[in-house]
Formats: sequence, structure tokens, C-alpha cells
Amino acid sequence: NAGVTQTPKFQVLKTGQSMTLQCAQDMNHNSMYWYRQDPGMGLRLIYYSASEGTTDKGEVPNGYNVSRLNKREFSLRLESAAPSQTSVYFCASSNLAGLAKNIQYFGAGTRLSVL
Amino acid sequence: DQQVKQNSPSLSVQEGRISILNCDYTNSMFDYFLWYKKYPAEGPTFLISISSIKDKNEDGRFTVFLNKSAKHLSLHIVPSQPGDSAVYFCAASSPNDMRFGAGTRLTVKP
Repeated sequence: NAGVTQTPKFQVLKTGQSMTLQCAQDMNHNSMYWYRQDPGMGLRLIYYSASEGTTDKGEVPNGYNVSRLNKREFSLRLESAAPSQTSVYFCASSNLAGLAKNIQYFGAGTRLSVL
Repeated sequence: DQQVKQNSPSLSVQEGRISILNCDYTNSMFDYFLWYKKYPAEGPTFLISISSIKDKNEDGRFTVFLNKSAKHLSLHIVPSQPGDSAVYFCAASSPNDMRFGAGTRLTVKP
């Protein structure tokens, strides 16, 4: 029972490079989310998708783009990576739509370093 | 602006005793609150939640208390076990927002 799977687990980029973080869930959940976790900051919501075909900005969307490819997959793209985007990125999914009153299930995270 | 605050970065308790983790929030629009537990190299996992219409929710050794007037919630773990050692995040949500606290690292000593 895989749950939420994130790839890659680790990545090192140079400033200005681009990359896509992949996330897939096998729980038939409606909503998917991307967070970043920085020391002393907790998790901050970047983007979320309440249903297939929709995406919405979270607290810190600048510098990122997302694609809800289908119900299972939600990718996060950094077009031109900056050192400020060095962080641990978590993908999550939820059975309920949106943000209200829902329990989220998280992947194991992607640790990204931008040099 | 940190709308959800966990003011204690760490907490150490003896096995068998009570652990109390605290969380404060500022946005009165939050109407649902959750606690997540995180082990190293893993993602957070859901522990317990409470709706703003309640002031207490219990699940086994875990109880969450909500004081809406003080905008404060707490997680009680009784009795604490070494396997409870982890980082605990509180989270608050409204229909349009989801915020997490910075976490409290709990260490339960045998």
C-alpha cells in the first residue's frame, strides 16, 4: 500500500536550472497539495488542487508552477531555481475537496538544495 | 506572518508521565484543527483533530483541547511512551487556508 509517492527523494540543482518534482497517490483522493518545510517555519502551502483540472495558490506560490496531470498525479515545477528554494518539499493528498476540515496524507518528502 | 505558533521548540518528559504540547493561533476564521506527528525522513502523519464546535476530542492516549476564546489548543499524551518521540505539528484550517505551526520536538525518556 504505497499511499503518496514522491520522486526524487534528493536533488541538487544549480541556480537557474529547472526541475519537476513528481507526486502520485493511489488512494483515489480528490485533493492534492504541495508544501515546503523550512527550519523554524513549519509547513507552508505552495499550491493545491481540489479536484482534477483545478489548481489554486497557497501561502507561498511565487517561483513555482503546478500541474494536476490526472486524479493520481500532481507535479511541482521550478522554472528557474533560486537558493531561497532550498527546502524539503512534501506532497499530500486528501479525500475531501479543498482545505476545509480534511485530513491529509503525506509523502516522505523531497530534499532539494539549490547552489 | 505566523498565524499558528508553537512556542516550545522542544519538550522532554519521562516515560509514563503526561506530555502537553501547546499551540496558539491568531486567525478567528480557522474552524478545524489538527495534530500531525513526524518521524525523521518521513512525512507527517495525522494524529487527531478537533472541530471548532467542540472543546475536547479524545482518541486513546491522545486528547486535544480547544479554547476558542483564548485561540489556544493543546495536545495531551497520557501515558507518554518512548515511541512517541517525534516532532509534533499543529495545523489550523478554514475553507480557504491551511497553516501549520513550526513544530515541537518531543523526547520521551525511558
